[in-house]
Amino acid sequence: EVQLVGSGGGLIQPGGSLRLSCAASGFTVSSTAMSWVRQAAGKGLEWVAVIYNGDETSYADSVRGRFTVSRDNSRNTLFLQMNSLRAEDTAVYYCARDWGEDWGQGTLVTVSS
Amino acid sequence: QSVLTQPPSASGAPGQRVTISCSGSSSDIRNNYIYWYQQLPGTAPKLLIYNNNQRPSGVPDRFSGSKSGTSASLAIIGLRSEDEADYYCAAWADSLNGRVFGGGTKLTVL
Repeated sequence: EVQLVGSGGGLIQPGGSLRLSCAASGFTVSSTAMSWVRQAAGKGLEWVAVIYNGDETSYADSVRGRFTVSRDNSRNTLFLQMNSLRAEDTAVYYCARDWGEDWGQGTLVTVSS
Repeated sequence: QSVLTQPPSASGAPGQRVTISCSGSSSDIRNNYIYWYQQLPGTAPKLLIYNNNQRPSGVPDRFSGSKSGTSASLAIIGLRSEDEADYYCAAWADSLNGRVFGGGTKLTVL
């Protein structure tokens, strides 16, 4: 059974950093593209980043230069390193397999002083 | 403002057919695959349609996708109360070198 379990969210001050994790089971994260999608309260889905199985990455304009997506194949885990956080980064962050064949449960990031 | 444009709302009575549109441009919808998602309140999205018109296993054939030029549509036939949800389209945007979502459509089953 495929499962994605996200963690690492929380309350962080503006300008701070946070690293989200997404532990996968039932498949290997290195064998497919993995993406991050976020959703602010009451708003729509916003694509954040993707990492391909060849390690190429792509980012939304809103996070490029501040966020970094990576994976640890030995731990079968996807990460999202978020730096220079802003209030507008407040959202539930979902990890997903490629275009969304499977999704994590979401982890809430709140950027506030 | 989303690159892909969806109507904010749609509705239909049980048993009816409803379509949700997704409008884009030559740099996204025309040249790339379209994906559709269903999001029930308080839950993670679920992939409904991939590669324009393919259904993942487990998705009922009441859901279908189509694409023509710079627009795409999701059709739901035999509407049921459990179809009441938010629906999103998505595609790769060549101009942005990234993926983009539509703004979402809230479907109400009357």
